[in-house]
Amino acid sequence: QQQVKQSPQSLIVQKGGISIINCAYENTAFDYFPWYQQFPGKGPALLIAIRPDVSEKKEGRFTISFNKSAKQFSLHIMDSQPGDSATYFCAASLYSTLTFGKGTMLLVSP
Amino acid sequence: EAGVVQSPRYKIIEKKQPVAFWCNPISGHNTLYWYLQNLGQGPELLIRYENEEAVDDSQLPKDRFSAERLKGVDSTLKIQPAELGDSAVYLCASSSPGQGEAFFGQGTRLTVV
Repeated sequence: QQQVKQSPQSLIVQKGGISIINCAYENTAFDYFPWYQQFPGKGPALLIAIRPDVSEKKEGRFTISFNKSAKQFSLHIMDSQPGDSATYFCAASLYSTLTFGKGTMLLVSP
Repeated sequence: EAGVVQSPRYKIIEKKQPVAFWCNPISGHNTLYWYLQNLGQGPELLIRYENEEAVDDSQLPKDRFSAERLKGVDSTLKIQPAELGDSAVYLCASSSPGQGEAFFGQGTRLTVV
């Protein structure tokens, strides 16, 4: 059973546009929801995270929107740049163990 | 502050041979994780340590995989014998007690031929 479902699998956005990646989770006991960015040949790097008592968190161009009742959360990248081209993973944590989505490969065209 | 350090970065071995990966977590991080990442997939937990105790090893294939974290700092993950299907990236991560943020190393890319 896949506990965290992520979509889309891949995404192409023009420079300056908004990138939106969505995730849905099954287990209501999850207590922490981070997003990771991964470049080829590198390990995942923590980008931004949210706890379920907050509906939105913004850090620079990155925003997490969280809908507890729908068990969904999303990452918005404003003013997307070619340097944002990477694979993005949502995750959900329970007892400090992360369950990851399958990832979204983002390409920002110049 | 140094991040999570893993070695080696790359390893190529023949099937049925043993292999070991090493991880040094961020200083002060009591929680250490080993994750497996197949190509095009998200990381999947193999084992989680709190200090030197393995508190979640339910996804570790214990017939061929073993791990240890002596003295609650560095950790070693071993595969013996390796199979072709073990080819993947093995990621180590660490976090502070009670904190959700896990920080990952660069991983070890294993190729079994």
